[in-house]
Amino acid sequence: DAGITQSPRYKITETGRQVTLMCHQTWSHSYMFWYRQDLGHGLRLIYYSAAADITDKGEVPDGYVVSRSKTENFPLTLESATRSQTSVYFCASSEYRNYGYTFGSGTRLTVV
Amino acid sequence: GQQVMQIPQYQHVQEGEDFTTYCNSSTTLSNIQWYKQRPGGHPVFLIQLVKSGEVKKQKRLTFQFGEAKKNSSLHITATQTTDVGTYFCAGPAGYSTLTFGKGTMLLVSP
Repeated sequence: DAGITQSPRYKITETGRQVTLMCHQTWSHSYMFWYRQDLGHGLRLIYYSAAADITDKGEVPDGYVVSRSKTENFPLTLESATRSQTSVYFCASSEYRNYGYTFGSGTRLTVV
Repeated sequence: GQQVMQIPQYQHVQEGEDFTTYCNSSTTLSNIQWYKQRPGGHPVFLIQLVKSGEVKKQKRLTFQFGEAKKNSSLHITATQTTDVGTYFCAGPAGYSTLTFGKGTMLLVSP
């Protein structure tokens, strides 16, 4: 689905650095989400947004910051990266509440 | 909080065999959704079930929602190598979010 894009696809960063993962969708979906996927933990929700300027914490928000100034963009920032934040990060969007998420291709982040 | 459990975690079948994965919730769900993630890929939405006892089919895939709306299953008839991947169920966890099961990884040998 070309309508939701994540960048970069791969990122290596050092402990303590700030890093921002980008997510852009072209459908004007109201709902957007950030998940991390780790072996043994499945998909865990970090933050979500129901509309521009409305964001809320998910299951594992510590160490992350989000913003949503425009409907189409939902960047995720790691304020000071730690090794435990090494993961695959997926952005997703949905037109309707609790229905049919469309996921981006993911960002594989390694913190060294 | 809301939890969705999936079993088995992993299954390896020979091509042509059937496969079933089960999803159980600790609470009644308003709907259940199924996603497939190919190795190295991202989750892709397959289907949503809403009604108690609902059964839906997509070619060789049969999805079922339990009468009590607390469990669901995905059955694949005569698996093919293209069915390889991890299958996730997901249910509403709050006003506007989903909680995902940890998934069942399916490996199909030719």
